[in-house]
Amino acid sequence: AQSVSQHNHHVILSEAASLELGCNYSYGGTVNLFWYVQYPGQHLQLLLKYFSGDPLVKGIKGFEAEFIKSKFSFNLRKPSVQWSDTAEYFCAVRAGGATNKLIFGTGTLLAVQP
Amino acid sequence: NAGVTQTPKFQVLKTGQSMTLQCAQDMNHNSMYWYRQDPGMGLRLIYYSASEGTTDKGEVPNGYNVSRLNKREFSLRLESAAPSQTSVYFCASSEIFGSYGAFFGQGTRLTVV
Repeated sequence: AQSVSQHNHHVILSEAASLELGCNYSYGGTVNLFWYVQYPGQHLQLLLKYFSGDPLVKGIKGFEAEFIKSKFSFNLRKPSVQWSDTAEYFCAVRAGGATNKLIFGTGTLLAVQP
Repeated sequence: NAGVTQTPKFQVLKTGQSMTLQCAQDMNHNSMYWYRQDPGMGLRLIYYSASEGTTDKGEVPNGYNVSRLNKREFSLRLESAAPSQTSVYFCASSEIFGSYGAFFGQGTRLTVV
């Protein structure tokens, strides 16, 4: 069965600081990987995704993530955070094939201080 | 384009009452999902339907049932609500092999007293 771990539960940064949020998954087969963001009071929105090809993927709002297959990791990064990045971030893994089962991590709450 | 529509947005139930959460998507997606979101626990998959005519248990199915009524609609039923089912429920849909991930509804905030 697939699972996702996010080890940073709560991160506090100052504006302009760099961000890296960890995500590790376990699944023996082909996976698709996602990062979602949830702003206060809103539903989840897709930040970026990895399906195949270049392991460094770029998403919206300056976010990027790197898929390292040997480490089963898909960490999210941003060089310089803004106050508006304050939100909860979720890593997710989808099993490949027709199963299409989508599992989320426990989330990381990011607070950016002005 | 409505995307994924959930009803109701808010609901208060008494312990033991039953209710059905409705979800409909207009993107012609094959797969649909029900999650619950609780503080510190992320989104946990309750049930999902990879395609019309199939449903499967997720991580926390106990106390829930689902019906994939047709390709558009996927409902979640609480037969006998318990306080432990107080949560925010999200419905989502996606395409099998699709490259856009899942699209989420606005959520239903359920309180069981």
